[in-house]
Order: sequence, then structure tokens, then C-alpha cells
Amino acid sequence: AQKVTQAQTEISVVEKEDVTLDCVYETRDTTYYLFWYKQPPSGELVFLIRRNSFDEQNEISGRYSWNFQKSTSSFNFTITASQVVDSAVYFCALRAGSARQLTFGSGTQLTVLP
Amino acid sequence: GAGVSQSPRYKVAKRGQDVALRCDPISGHVSLFWYQQALGQGPEFLTYFQNEAQLDKSGLPSDRFFAERPEGSVSTLKIQRTQQEDSAVYLCASSLGSWDKGYTFGSGTRLTVV
Repeated sequence: AQKVTQAQTEISVVEKEDVTLDCVYETRDTTYYLFWYKQPPSGELVFLIRRNSFDEQNEISGRYSWNFQKSTSSFNFTITASQVVDSAVYFCALRAGSARQLTFGSGTQLTVLP
Repeated sequence: GAGVSQSPRYKVAKRGQDVALRCDPISGHVSLFWYQQALGQGPEFLTYFQNEAQLDKSGLPSDRFFAERPEGSVSTLKIQRTQQEDSAVYLCASSLGSWDKGYTFGSGTRLTVV
């Protein structure tokens, strides 16, 4: 069975602070994909990144960066110099083995205060 | 269309009523998924279509839930004899292929059963 844990339910930071959102996953499959999605108040899930299990290189995209560590089954997401527009719920998700669907964590509500 | 379109955006149903939720995926997208998102939780998988074939319906919570995609494009999720525990946001997602790198989500239909 697949499982994704996002232990941080809510995080509040002040604008320009850095913030890291944690994600821990469980799967017995050796081939899997990890995702991060952003859900603003409007409700749609916005795709941020996909990483496959064979690529442990960290990735940076502007103010966003992701740290994938298979040894700890973690795929953490860092926002540098946070902005008010970053306020949203962020979901980590897993697709493993032959499954087509995603297994989501429970999400982290990020609030960036001006 | 440019994105995944879901209608209605909001639906209030009296307990016991039947409801139908519509999803218009991105044109040409082969795969279509339905997810249920309870308040404060991550989306949970309901069912998956590849073209018109429903390949996985393991997430449907009861036989009151039924989904179809008769021509391989628009999909309808039907819930019969709605109950209060059916209150949730129902999200639809589509992707170009089975193993596409990302899924495009719609904004969802918020169903409230009173």
C-alpha cells in the first residue's frame, strides 16, 4: 500500500522568510513518482513538480527547490523568500508501480503574512 | 478547452436526492480521474478512465457512486440517494497519456448534502 505523510498541518511565516514543507512517503515499489501540487483558495490543484525514483538530484525552479532523499523516504519542498501569493495548501503525492492514480498527503496550509 | 472544466461549481442536494457532476477534460487527453476531497483532507482516488474504458473503480465508496465516459471525452460522476457523508469537493483530472508527467485538475464541484 502507498502512503504519504505531511506532518505539518499549518505553517505561518512572515513574508521573505524561507519555509520548508515536509513530505514522507511509503511504498514497496522500486519505481515511483513523487509530485507536489499547490491548491489556492480557488480550488484547482496546480502542478509544481514531478520526480521519479531514479533521479535523486535536487531541483531548483526560481524560489522553489525540492530535496529528494530516498534514504529517508522524504521529498521536501522549500520556498525561499516567501511571498503573500504563496499562501495556499500544498500537497505531496505519490504514484507507485503500475498504479495510474495519485495517493495524496493531507496537505500543509501555508500562510504568508505581509 | 484550455483546462479541465467542471460543472456545476457548487451543488446543494437534499439527502436522498440523486446528483450528476460533469467533467470536461482537456481535448485529446486519454486519461481521466475522479477524486473526492473532504474538508481539510487530501484528494482521494475514486475512479479512472482510459478513453471510454473504466479501468479502475476501486475507490468508489459504495454502489451509490457511478461514473461514465461514454465517448471517451466528457465524464459524469453520479451519486444516487445522497447522504451527508457525501459532502465534499469532487475533483476531476486528465492527462495526455497513461504515464504523462502531470495531471491537470479542474476546480472541482463542491457538493453539500443537507
